[in-house]
Amino acid sequence: QVQLVQFGGGVVQPGRSLRLSCVASRFTVMTYEVHWVRQAPGKGLQWVAVTSSDGSNKYYADSVKGRFTVSADIARKTLYLQMNSLIVEDTATYYCVTDNGGGFIDFWSQGAQVTVSS
Amino acid sequence: DIQMTQSPSSLSASVGDRVTITCRASQRISSYLNWYQQKIGKAPKLLIYAASNLQSGVPSRFSGSGSGTDFTLTISSLQPEDFATYYCQQSYNMWTFGQGTKVEIK
Repeated sequence: QVQLVQFGGGVVQPGRSLRLSCVASRFTVMTYEVHWVRQAPGKGLQWVAVTSSDGSNKYYADSVKGRFTVSADIARKTLYLQMNSLIVEDTATYYCVTDNGGGFIDFWSQGAQVTVSS
Repeated sequence: DIQMTQSPSSLSASVGDRVTITCRASQRISSYLNWYQQKIGKAPKLLIYAASNLQSGVPSRFSGSGSGTDFTLTISSLQPEDFATYYCQQSYNMWTFGQGTKVEIK
């Protein structure tokens, strides 16, 4: 059973940066894609970004392109979401999730709350 | 980008009712469509993958159908634990989620 444990999150002012970490265990890193999905308070789910688990392929939603960066540290089995130039609309619970090739979410992290507020 | 439109946005139903939720894609997505259930304060749970395949452990009262642009999630006999919000998700080109359908108690 894959486990995803997330670190990071918190309250940050608009324009500042924050990095989320997602530590994966109990799976073969090379076989999964890792996506980031967020959910604003009281709102629906929004896909944010994806990286192959070795970090070689990365894609982003238009709303975060140029501001957010995903990366992977294979040795540490850790995925990162670097969020720069944060805006109020980025306020949400962020999840890292895995896709084992079926196009659907196999496993979820516990989520991390990010609040962008002055 | 592919847009996903769910309907209705919310519905009220009674235990034992048959419930149908629809999801329409802005372009053809074959069967790259999944359904999730989310309860308050919890991460979503996968119900149906590839349009019509029941995820292991999910009760058989849940079913999915459709292909191309139009998809349906059906709950054949609504149970108390089914009151939740349901989301569709396409994985044909990146991912997009529908806006959600909240199923409430009548």
